[in-house]
Amino acid sequence: RKEVEQDPGPFNVPEGATVAFNCTYSNSASQSFFWYRQDCRKEPKLLMSVYSSGNEDGRFTAQLNRASQYISLLIRDSKLSDSATYLCVVNRAHDMRFGAGTRLTVKP
Amino acid sequence: DGGITQSPKYLFRKEGQNVTLSCEQNLNHDAMYWYRQDPGQGLRLIYYSQIVNDFQKGDIAEGYSVSREKKESFPLTVTSAQKNPTAFYLCATQPASGGHYEQYFGPGTRLTVT
Repeated sequence: RKEVEQDPGPFNVPEGATVAFNCTYSNSASQSFFWYRQDCRKEPKLLMSVYSSGNEDGRFTAQLNRASQYISLLIRDSKLSDSATYLCVVNRAHDMRFGAGTRLTVKP
Repeated sequence: DGGITQSPKYLFRKEGQNVTLSCEQNLNHDAMYWYRQDPGQGLRLIYYSQIVNDFQKGDIAEGYSVSREKKESFPLTVTSAQKNPTAFYLCATQPASGGHYEQYFGPGTRLTVT
């Protein structure tokens, strides 16, 4: 079983749609959690950190449920520019563990 | 102009040759990492270094070697012993090692071995 699991998608949604991504992790000792965005053939870039209290950054909302070892990302009012692969990332003491990513395509 | 640089962006080598990928940072970050990414897969950790003159193997270190002689630099050598070297290689830094910091990535080097 992979340490970080994501639905690979692809998710194809129209502009303006709301889309949710889920992620589960297996190591209960994980300390911090992130969502990264990766455009095609580019490096991953930090989208947002994820906290137990939930956090929001504009159209993006991230949530963490430590008891269920579950992380989510909600994107509201999708834009064409949101098309990318979204990586769920879990930080252990000395290294990060990456999900394989969920691919999102937003269509006009 | 702060950041992480990796060179070259694309690299082509013949099978049997060693090749060294460069990673330089001016963020003054202590920790540096090397990952490899294959199509449809998550990033896999090759080596990491928390401090100068020290480094640790990651999950897939076989066929790779690194050095950390300066804080700014963490080169990765892909040796001829690496069975499937063709991949996208990403270098990352972290302000300090430990479980609470995000990582920052360089633009990557795409290596093709034929």
